[in-house]
Amino acid sequence: NAGVTQTPKFQVLKTGQSMTLQCAQDMNHNSMYWYRQDPGMGLRLIYYSASEGTTDKGEVPNGYNVSRLNKREFSLRLESAAPSQTSVYFCASSELTSGRDEQFFGPGTRLTVL
Amino acid sequence: KNQVEQSPQSLIILEGKNCTLQCNYTVSPFSNLRWYKQDTGRGPVSLTIMTFSENTKSNGRYTATLDADTKQSSLHITASQLSDSASYICVVSSFYGNNRLAFGKGNQVVVIP
Repeated sequence: NAGVTQTPKFQVLKTGQSMTLQCAQDMNHNSMYWYRQDPGMGLRLIYYSASEGTTDKGEVPNGYNVSRLNKREFSLRLESAAPSQTSVYFCASSELTSGRDEQFFGPGTRLTVL
Repeated sequence: KNQVEQSPQSLIILEGKNCTLQCNYTVSPFSNLRWYKQDTGRGPVSLTIMTFSENTKSNGRYTATLDADTKQSSLHITASQLSDSASYICVVSSFYGNNRLAFGKGNQVVVIP
């Protein structure tokens, strides 16, 4: 099993460009998440999907949109990238959204916005 | 205000030595606390999880403790190895807030030969 996979691994954008970060999991988990990690800060939740067909905002959703394409895939879209969105983005999944369920993280996407 | 505070922010230790990382939290009502290990350039991986009734949990050379009364946890690394060089993240969950987890900023550990 690959666990949680993310593409691309690295990306450089110019301000105003758009892109979609892809995430897939093969553990048959119901819940999926997108986080960003910035230097000197803890992981911050952008959006999550408790189950297929549902999405909800997290702590820092502004400037992002998500799509839960099916049970396996959860994508994160930046419609008009800004330098403040330079970060490392992690996708995660868990059986349920209960805090008691372990979240499994992908390897991350390093995004630089110039 | 960050609900999870970790200390020290970073430390350097000699291979073979022990070290202890601290985590203080204010999350309430408390559900569980996890320690994650994050290698450079990788995603976090869970090391241990403790619920309210558990005081200690071990995973190989890693031992986590929890004092739910004082809202403190520690992660002890025994006989450190070069592969222990990583960031160790304390994550606390509450019974409320659905999926919301409170993440610490991490303890950066560097093990030198």
